[in-house]
Amino acid sequence: QVQLQESGPGLVKPSESLSLTCTVSGASISAYYWSWIRQPPGKGLDWIGYIYFNGSTNYNPSLKSRVTISIDTSKKQFSLKVTSVTVADTAVYYCARVPIRMVRGDPLPGEYGMDVWGQGTSVTVSS
Amino acid sequence: DIQMTQSPSTLSASVGDTVTITCRVSQSISTWLAWYQQKPGKAPRLLIFASSTLQPGVPSRFSGSGSGTEFTLTIFSLQPDDFATYYCQQYNSFSLFTFGPGTKVDVK
Repeated sequence: QVQLQESGPGLVKPSESLSLTCTVSGASISAYYWSWIRQPPGKGLDWIGYIYFNGSTNYNPSLKSRVTISIDTSKKQFSLKVTSVTVADTAVYYCARVPIRMVRGDPLPGEYGMDVWGQGTSVTVSS
Repeated sequence: DIQMTQSPSTLSASVGDTVTITCRVSQSISTWLAWYQQKPGKAPRLLIFASSTLQPGVPSRFSGSGSGTEFTLTIFSLQPDDFATYYCQQYNSFSLFTFGPGTKVDVK
């Protein structure tokens, strides 16, 4: 059974950095893309970005300047860092698995949606 | 930037009803669209990918259709477990994902 588990601080001060980790179990971390999504209180879903096992990333343009996603295949973990946080970064943060489609031998994300999600972790930005 | 809209934003329905949610995208995305169901306090659940393919384990009363810029999610014979918020999500040629604003299906 595939499981994803987010972990990290629940409270971050404004202007500091937010760091979260997602631990993967029951699936090969090398066989999928891995994504972060967030949801501010009472609002909709906001895609943050994704990473492949080789370190290839893609980010939401609206967050790109403040976001870094990294991966540690030996630990079966991938991580999110958001710098210079404000109250607007207060949200539940989810990690999710992104199945691959092969296009002319290149593994690409997207066609199959995000099929496995973590339970989410709440992060509050407050002094 | 690709913009996404969903209509209606809220839909009131009764058990047994057939409901339809529409998702519109500002530029053509072929069939690169997924639908998710989210209940309060829970993570989203993938229902449909590639516009019309049902995720394994999802009941057959859920149906998706559309291509290009207009897509629909239909729930036939609404069940008590189906009252939730539904999101569409697109994937475009720039390898970016975007979610729609959501449609809440509540009890009439």
